[in-house]
Amino acid sequence: DTGVSQNPRHKITKRGQNVTFRCDPISEHNRLYWYRQTLGQGPEFLTYFQNEAQLEKSRLLSDRFSAERPKGSFSTLEIQRTEQGDSAMYLCASSPPGTGPTEAFFGQGTRLTVV
Amino acid sequence: QKEVEQDPGPLSVPEGAIVSLNCTYSNSAFQYFMWYRQYSRKGPELLMYTYSSGNKEDGRFTAQVDKSSKYISLFIRDSQPSDSATYLCAMNDYKLSFGAGTTVTVRA
Repeated sequence: DTGVSQNPRHKITKRGQNVTFRCDPISEHNRLYWYRQTLGQGPEFLTYFQNEAQLEKSRLLSDRFSAERPKGSFSTLEIQRTEQGDSAMYLCASSPPGTGPTEAFFGQGTRLTVV
Repeated sequence: QKEVEQDPGPLSVPEGAIVSLNCTYSNSAFQYFMWYRQYSRKGPELLMYTYSSGNKEDGRFTAQVDKSSKYISLFIRDSQPSDSATYLCAMNDYKLSFGAGTTVTVRA
């Protein structure tokens, strides 16, 4: 499968626990995006990377959230001290050089439930 | 006010009907306008994108952009039950700004 891969697909955690999600972009795609989608809403931008550099972070990304892309390949998104309001689908997308978000390919998402 | 407004529906049409979807936006800097299709519990899939104003056709799908009115549309001709999904409009500067999505059901 050569698409964007996200793991795990589902995560149930207790409030206050830390969780980490992984995204493997399409090979050769230098841009990687994280979005969050709640029920009945469109995806909301969280952050994006060009290679290993994190170039933009949304105000939605509180200090409990951190994202990394250490070698410009896969990325991780960590949420510390999870809250019930963090329950959502976390989507990762990647795009090839020179295209930006217009040709972003999305993964299947990680669905987080905080109980 | 959100940057991108989209009527969430839901929209139910009989097979073969024309589906009409639309979005309005407020940011004049947007230049690329996308339509995504999202099936339940799946990631969004890009259907087509349009640069600036005008029309673009791809098979049964037609996208229209009117930058003067800040209004975009997607038309699906000869709709099929397999077109049942949520359709998201999106626009970009360095990131994608999405509408809330319209849920469409095509009845056989």
